[in-house]
Amino acid sequence: GEDVEQSLFLSVREGDSSVINCTYTDSSSTYLYWYKQEPGAGLQLLTYIFSNMDMKQDQRLTVLLNKKDKHLSLRIADTQTGDSAIYFCAESSMDSSYKLIFGSGTRLLVRP
Amino acid sequence: NAGVTQTPKFQVLKTGQSMTLQCAQDMNHEYMSWYRQDPGMGLRLIHYSVGAGITDQGEVPNGYNVSRSTTEDFPLRLLSAAPSQTSVYFCASSPDRGPVDTQYFGPGTRLTVL
Repeated sequence: GEDVEQSLFLSVREGDSSVINCTYTDSSSTYLYWYKQEPGAGLQLLTYIFSNMDMKQDQRLTVLLNKKDKHLSLRIADTQTGDSAIYFCAESSMDSSYKLIFGSGTRLLVRP
Repeated sequence: NAGVTQTPKFQVLKTGQSMTLQCAQDMNHEYMSWYRQDPGMGLRLIHYSVGAGITDQGEVPNGYNVSRSTTEDFPLRLLSAAPSQTSVYFCASSPDRGPVDTQYFGPGTRLTVL
């Protein structure tokens, strides 16, 4: 079945770059997403990438997709304490973007 | 627009009790979904709906019922609550099946079953 895996925890110093990694198994995945969840809050879509793209950049966020290895990463440049949160990787197929498959989340801790 | 609203925010039930988690959206979105989030895990899809009168099962549907009599509302019913249903429940909506840069999640309902 479909599976999305992430490392559980990442700690970085304020001002450094953070890289959060994700692997997925479903070859039919068309869209891959990164969501952010702050404590006690719902999920906020940060960015998504279509599977025919290798990279997408949006301000401090860079998403890299290696489709051959089924590996997705999210780089946050100049990480701030406000970036501390749980980051979820998710995937969906083109016709079922309302049916997301989520990873277990990576908790990012930004140290002052 | 209020976006996606969920009530209640918190609920404690005893085993065997029934209840309905409410979800509403005022954006005229066709697609709505229910997810549950357990500690250390990502969200898992319970049920979804692609329009009024149409629902289908997701990854973990057992123990839950849904209906979609209007575009705005998508309630989730627990007929006989079990401790295994202790979780945080999120409702989401989106306007179509394409790119989900306009998918919205509600704030969640934290449910504890004793």
